[in-house]
Amino acid sequence: DGGITQSPKYLFRKEGQNVTLSCEQNLNHDAMYWYRQDPGQGLRLIYYSQIVNDFQKGDIAEGYSVSREKKESFPLTVTSAQKNPTAFYLCASKTLTPGDEQFFGPGTRLTVL
Amino acid sequence: AQSVAQPEDQVNVAEGNPLTVKCTYSVSGNPYLFWYVQYPNRGLQFLLKYITGDNLVKGSYGFEAEFNKSQTSFHLKKPSALVSDSALYFCAVRDKGYQKVTFGIGTKLQVIP
Repeated sequence: DGGITQSPKYLFRKEGQNVTLSCEQNLNHDAMYWYRQDPGQGLRLIYYSQIVNDFQKGDIAEGYSVSREKKESFPLTVTSAQKNPTAFYLCASKTLTPGDEQFFGPGTRLTVL
Repeated sequence: AQSVAQPEDQVNVAEGNPLTVKCTYSVSGNPYLFWYVQYPNRGLQFLLKYITGDNLVKGSYGFEAEFNKSQTSFHLKKPSALVSDSALYFCAVRDKGYQKVTFGIGTKLQVIP
C-alpha cells in the first residue's frame, strides 16, 4: 500500500521539552509539508521541502525545526520555544507538478501538559 | 498574495436534499482550486480539483464543484446528501505562479437523518 504514515498518533509533552513527530511516505513524492491545525483556523503551513537537504519556512515556522535527509522522511521537531504547541499536526506530500493534489497522513495530536 | 474564504462555519442539510458548501478565492493570476474532506481525528482526503478546462468538475463520492471566474468562486455541491457526508470540508487555492497552497478555515457539514 502506498501512502503517508505519521507517528505517534497521540503525543504528550511536558513544558520545556522538545519532541519530534515522524512523517514517512512511500509515494515517491518530491515535496513534503507540515501543517498545524487548530479549531476555527484551518491549516497553517509550518515548513515545506521540495528536495532532499532543502526546506523553506512556512507561515508559522517559529519554534519548529525540520530536516530532509531522505526523500521519504520529513520529521518535525517542536521545540520548547514554541509557545502554544498543543494542536493537531498534519504531514502531506505531493509531486512537483503544480496542479497535483496533496496526500495527507493521519495526523499527530500533540498535547502539552 | 492568495487567499480563500469559506463564509459558513457550518452547513446543515437534510438527508436526500442537495448540498452546497461555498468557497471564494483571491489570486493575482489563474488559480488551481481544490476541495478536501476531513473526518474526525483523521487526515484530509482529496475530493476534486480545478486546473483548467471545463468549469464543472466531478470528483469522489458524487461531489462536484463549479469554477466561476467572474465571481471568483468554487462551490462544492452534491445532488443528494448522505449522513455519511457529515465531515469538515476545506477549500484550497494555489496561484499558478506561487509555490504554496492556502487553505480555508473549513466548513462543517452536518447531514440530518
